[in-house]
Amino acid sequence: AQRVTQPEKLLSVFKGAPVELKCNYSYSGSPELFWYVQYSRQRLQLLLRHISRESIKGFTADLNKGETSFHLKKPFAQEEDSAMYYCALTGEYGNKLVFGAGTILRVKS
Amino acid sequence: DTEVTQTPKHLVMGMTNKKSLKCEQHMGHRAMYWYKQKAKKPPELMFVYSYEKLSINESVPSRFSPECPNSSLLNLHLHALQPEDSALYLCASSQFYMGVNTEAFFGQGTRLTVV
Repeated sequence: AQRVTQPEKLLSVFKGAPVELKCNYSYSGSPELFWYVQYSRQRLQLLLRHISRESIKGFTADLNKGETSFHLKKPFAQEEDSAMYYCALTGEYGNKLVFGAGTILRVKS
Repeated sequence: DTEVTQTPKHLVMGMTNKKSLKCEQHMGHRAMYWYKQKAKKPPELMFVYSYEKLSINESVPSRFSPECPNSSLLNLHLHALQPEDSALYLCASSQFYMGVNTEAFFGQGTRLTVV
């Protein structure tokens, strides 16, 4: 079974501070991992995926298969980063996207 | 056009009513999804359509009936719902290949209230 765990419901940081949103997963095969973001009053949208290894809006995430983790990081938080962040996973067939519980990131000025 | 459009945005229905939610995309995506999202909870997968065929039903009660009339449209027919079915219903679409999933695009959702 696919399972995604985000241990923090809320993460509150000051502007300019580093951010790390934690995500651990459970899957027996080769998963594909994603971070989705939902800004206030906007639709859910993709932030980044592990296959592309990109940095989007200053965020990066590295898939660690040994620790089954896919933590989201940003060195300097900005107020516009405040949003709900979901870690998500699909299995080999790519057709079942399962979400973690989500973490609210609040960046204070 | 990289949007998934859902109608209506809001829906209030009685427990004896029959209503339908609609979802449309014109990105040529061949996978379409229905998710249910309760307040302060993550989206929960309900159904997956692949090439207009139902490929996943996550043990959803039969009072929810999905339909994919063509590759651009996805409906969710509702009948005899319960108040606990009140939620935000999200539609999404993606292009995927075996072993590789591309980005899922989500609609704004339909806010359903069952009275």
